[in-house]
Amino acid sequence: KQEVTQIPAALSVPEGENLVLNCSFTDSAIYNLQWFRQDPGKGLTSLLLIQSSQREQTSGRLNASLDKSSGRSTLYIAASQPGDSATYLCAVGSQGGSEKLVFGKGTKLTVNP
Amino acid sequence: NAGVTQTPKFQVLKTGQSMTLQCAQDMNHEYMSWYRQDPGMGLRLIHYSVGAGITDQGEVPNGYNVSRSTTEDFPLRLLSAAPSQTSVYFCASSRTSTAGGYTFGSGTRLTVV
Repeated sequence: KQEVTQIPAALSVPEGENLVLNCSFTDSAIYNLQWFRQDPGKGLTSLLLIQSSQREQTSGRLNASLDKSSGRSTLYIAASQPGDSATYLCAVGSQGGSEKLVFGKGTKLTVNP
Repeated sequence: NAGVTQTPKFQVLKTGQSMTLQCAQDMNHEYMSWYRQDPGMGLRLIHYSVGAGITDQGEVPNGYNVSRSTTEDFPLRLLSAAPSQTSVYFCASSRTSTAGGYTFGSGTRLTVV
């Protein structure tokens, strides 16, 4: 059974800092990995999608990497801003026989002005 | 381009009542799914559909029914609401179950009293 873990559960940083959020998964047989952002009381906004054949994806100040063999992904946020404060969720599209995303429990990020 | 639309946004039910959560997408996505999000539990898959007329159970299907008569719509029915079904429900769609990224609706916050 695929399990996805995100560390740390919460992170507080000063504005302008570069930061890394971590995601690990137990089964390397995945289709893809997706990073989402969730603001309080809101839905999920897709940030980056990495297919299993890719190593990284970039969008603006965000860069996500994928290492299938080690079961890890990182989300790098450059020059953080208070508007980046949200919960970041990692989700894995698993090949394990069921067609679903398996989610981590998220990292709650606070960027202080 | 509306994406994934969920209605209602908020609902309060009494124990034993039934209701249908609506989900519609306008992206011609084949794959649709329902998740519930609970504090400390992350997002868990309830039911999913890989195309019109095809549905299957996810991780937590008990107490819920689905049908998929059209590509666009994927309603979730609560048969006899229980307090344990108090949660935030998200509908998601994807071009396919394996290749595309997922688009989520804004959620339905359901309280069962």
